[in-house]
Amino acid sequence: QAVLGQPPSASGTPGQTVTISCSGSGSNIESNTVNWYQQIPGTAPKLLIYANTQRPSGVPDRFSGSQSGTSASLAISGLQSEDEADYYCAAWDDSLNGFVFGTGTKVTVL
Amino acid sequence: EVQLVQSGAEVKKPGESLKISCRTSGYIFTTYWIGWVRQMPGKGLEWMGIISPSNSHSRYNPSLEDQAIISVDKSISTAFLHWRSLKASDTAIYYCARLRMVGTTIYYFDSWGQGTLVSVSS
Repeated sequence: QAVLGQPPSASGTPGQTVTISCSGSGSNIESNTVNWYQQIPGTAPKLLIYANTQRPSGVPDRFSGSQSGTSASLAISGLQSEDEADYYCAAWDDSLNGFVFGTGTKVTVL
Repeated sequence: EVQLVQSGAEVKKPGESLKISCRTSGYIFTTYWIGWVRQMPGKGLEWMGIISPSNSHSRYNPSLEDQAIISVDKSISTAFLHWRSLKASDTAIYYCARLRMVGTTIYYFDSWGQGTLVSVSS
């Protein structure tokens, strides 16, 4: 099954910047835009970033996304305790003709 | 306000059938595809499939074997996930989500249901 690669964990102290990478291929990240979802344990995923860099209404500008070639990244600046969650990247895959999700990254605020 | 409200948790035995629902409101149901996403215990998100409520055209993840069938009932703005014969490995949380498509390269799930826990055990 096609999946996007993410580091299993990332951490930082309050106020720091944490960056999460997402590795894909030509049929997904390079061809279509990347989304990022935040999942707080016990709750449904929430859209954080769409179309590589766009934030839905209500998402703080501390969250930012970027994409280059077959990779993408999510940066969380000014880290806060409420940012502790699992983060998933996702993109449409032209070979699968469907969605692929990243393996997920657990962010811990130290 | 866009809302997707899913049916409650289910406890079933292997071999039993099950249909869970995702009731939508706050937008025109036939305008956006609906997707289903699986999350097995302690694991990540997996895309199961999507369906167009306007014509019931659907696509499924070919990597998932013997998976559930996706359907819709336009009259009640609701999508469904149906199993004919459950297995223990179907134990998971299932999320429905509204799919946004812009042009040919921008795809994202913008609104999600709260999730339905399905437990299958003898």
